[in-house]
Amino acid sequence: GENVEQHPSTLSVQEGDSAVIKCTYSDSASNYFPWYKQELGKGPQLIIDIRSNVGEKKDQRIAVTLNKTAKHFSLHITETQPEDSAVYFCAAREGGGADGLTFGKGTHLIIQP
Amino acid sequence: DARVTQTPRHKVTEMGQEVTMRCQPILGHNTVFWYRQTMMQGLELLAYFRNRAPLDDSGMPKDRFSAEMPDATLATLKIQPSEPRDSAVYFCASGPGYLGYEQYFGPGTRLTVT
Repeated sequence: GENVEQHPSTLSVQEGDSAVIKCTYSDSASNYFPWYKQELGKGPQLIIDIRSNVGEKKDQRIAVTLNKTAKHFSLHITETQPEDSAVYFCAAREGGGADGLTFGKGTHLIIQP
Repeated sequence: DARVTQTPRHKVTEMGQEVTMRCQPILGHNTVFWYRQTMMQGLELLAYFRNRAPLDDSGMPKDRFSAEMPDATLATLKIQPSEPRDSAVYFCASGPGYLGYEQYFGPGTRLTVT
């Protein structure tokens, strides 16, 4: 089955700086890579996603890049704000008709004022 | 504002009791997922349905867990009998299935088994 590794587990950045979270996956057939933001006591919220036929996708201050050859993908947040503080999860959907997501262990992003 | 709803939000029960968690997927979504979140294991897929038919329940302990979709607006996850190691947050998510791979999560049910 799929295995997703996520780094770092904790990331502290100054407000206004950029944050980058990286993930690697093991199954070359995986075809969909979402990122979720989870605040305390809430469910994961889908913030951006990318399919395997696309190399980069951007939505305002957040962007995701995918390198299929190296089997890694990254989340980039620019101009960080206090409300960006949360736990972020990457995930991968296996190909071949399996719809379930395999998640990374999460990154606790702390925005320092 | 379409969203996944889950009940109850919190449940405390004693070991050996039956627990039933309910989920209402987003209207029009035909794929429903159950995930479990713990500190040790993170987020894990338990089971999922498409058009109310179970497609994969390999993540579920078969002897005590069962998942069903009595109709398109209700998914249930049942644990009988419950054990302390079942303590976790259980999330339901729904997605549009063939129309897209996105999954939208509910607020979760926090289960504590004493």
